[in-house]
Amino acid sequence: DQQVKQNSPSLSVQEGRISILNCDYTNSMFDYFLWYKKYPAEGPTFLISISSIKDKNEDGRFTVFLNKSAKHLSLHIVPSQPGDSAVYFCAASARNYGQNFVFGPGTRLSVLP
Amino acid sequence: GAGVSQSPRYKVAKRGQDVALRCDPISGHVSLFWYQQALGQGPEFLTYFQNEAQLDKSGLPSDRFFAERPEGSVSTLKIQRTQQEDSAVYLCASSLRAGLGSRDTQYFGPGTRLTVL
Repeated sequence: DQQVKQNSPSLSVQEGRISILNCDYTNSMFDYFLWYKKYPAEGPTFLISISSIKDKNEDGRFTVFLNKSAKHLSLHIVPSQPGDSAVYFCAASARNYGQNFVFGPGTRLSVLP
Repeated sequence: GAGVSQSPRYKVAKRGQDVALRCDPISGHVSLFWYQQALGQGPEFLTYFQNEAQLDKSGLPSDRFFAERPEGSVSTLKIQRTQQEDSAVYLCASSLRAGLGSRDTQYFGPGTRLTVL
């Protein structure tokens, strides 16, 4: 029973265009969300986070949007670059639910030159 | 700067063997996590340490899995009598602060890929 879902296993986007990666969650206790990026043979690296008191957080080319009522968040990458090609994991946590993150299964993004 | 390191990077074990996986967290990081990542899946939580104290081991799949962090720095994940379903990448992560792991950026190591034959 996955609490964090990423329903698109893969996504291909042309360089320069927008990449939109989606994530849905089921546990209403989650109040902090993160995106991690993972290259092959490396560990996940932190990308951007958002607290449930916000609905948007922006960092350069990366923006995360949170829709609490729909239990949905998305990561926008604009413009997409070939170096963005990686697996992207959505993760969630809850203040009173333990110290760990709960990860989704990931979406593989391919940015085509 | 030194990040989280893990060794070995790859381990092949015969079914029934015991294995030990090592994690060196970022110096000064109080919190340490172990995750298991099966092929095509996201990391799944195994256990959490705050300094040397193992505060949460709810994710350990069986009593064959044991983790320790005796001096509050290096951690070892031990799997006894390995089975084929233990084949996965084992990721270690550390974060700076105590008690705020769910809010603090976790820095991951490259992982140990365990293959049980």
